[in-house]
Amino acid sequence: QQPVQSPQAVILREGEDAVINCSSSKALYSVHWYRQKHGEAPVFLMILLKGGEQKGHEKISASFNEKKQQSSLYLTASQLSYSGTYFCGTEITGFQKLVFGTGTRLLVSP
Amino acid sequence: NAGVTQTPKFRILKIGQSMTLQCAQDMNHNYMYWYRQDPGMGLKLIYYSVGAGITDKGEVPNGYNVSRSTTEDFPLRLELAAPSQTSVYFCASSGLAGGSEQFFGPGTRLTVL
Repeated sequence: QQPVQSPQAVILREGEDAVINCSSSKALYSVHWYRQKHGEAPVFLMILLKGGEQKGHEKISASFNEKKQQSSLYLTASQLSYSGTYFCGTEITGFQKLVFGTGTRLLVSP
Repeated sequence: NAGVTQTPKFRILKIGQSMTLQCAQDMNHNYMYWYRQDPGMGLKLIYYSVGAGITDKGEVPNGYNVSRSTTEDFPLRLELAAPSQTSVYFCASSGLAGGSEQFFGPGTRLTVL
């Protein structure tokens, strides 16, 4: 039931782009994306809802393929502040709780 | 607006001891959650609540208990602490179930020796 994230880790230079993927074997109602910096709490980035609605940050975009139960997070023109671990959280249709993936570690270097 | 607050920030317990992790939110959110995060791992849901007086189990509820007597507070009780409960515990709240961002507290780092 836990969503699978890929890649597990990414190293970028400042200004480069990255894509992080999240896939589930279950039908999804929504996909959430959070970023967590070392020693801190997760911080909300984006929600994608079944039906196409998106809520989130202006500088980060994401997609949700309902047929494949997959979501992708697009980080463009990466900044040093983008470094951290990115988690997707999936809400299965009919349930009220998130199941989080194992995370993708992103390091942006100067 | 303090958001979600958790106490204590750090705690060391001996095997077999008990303790309560406190969580409070001032956003009038109905939904509250307890997660644990082991080193280098993702978040695992322990318990959640959809409103005062209503709680339900998450993925890893064994060894824990919760109560929700008010909208604001959602304490997590550890009975008979075990080394396997060494983890960082996060409390979160949201205004709606799904489709709504979860606001996380700063976490409690618990070590059981």
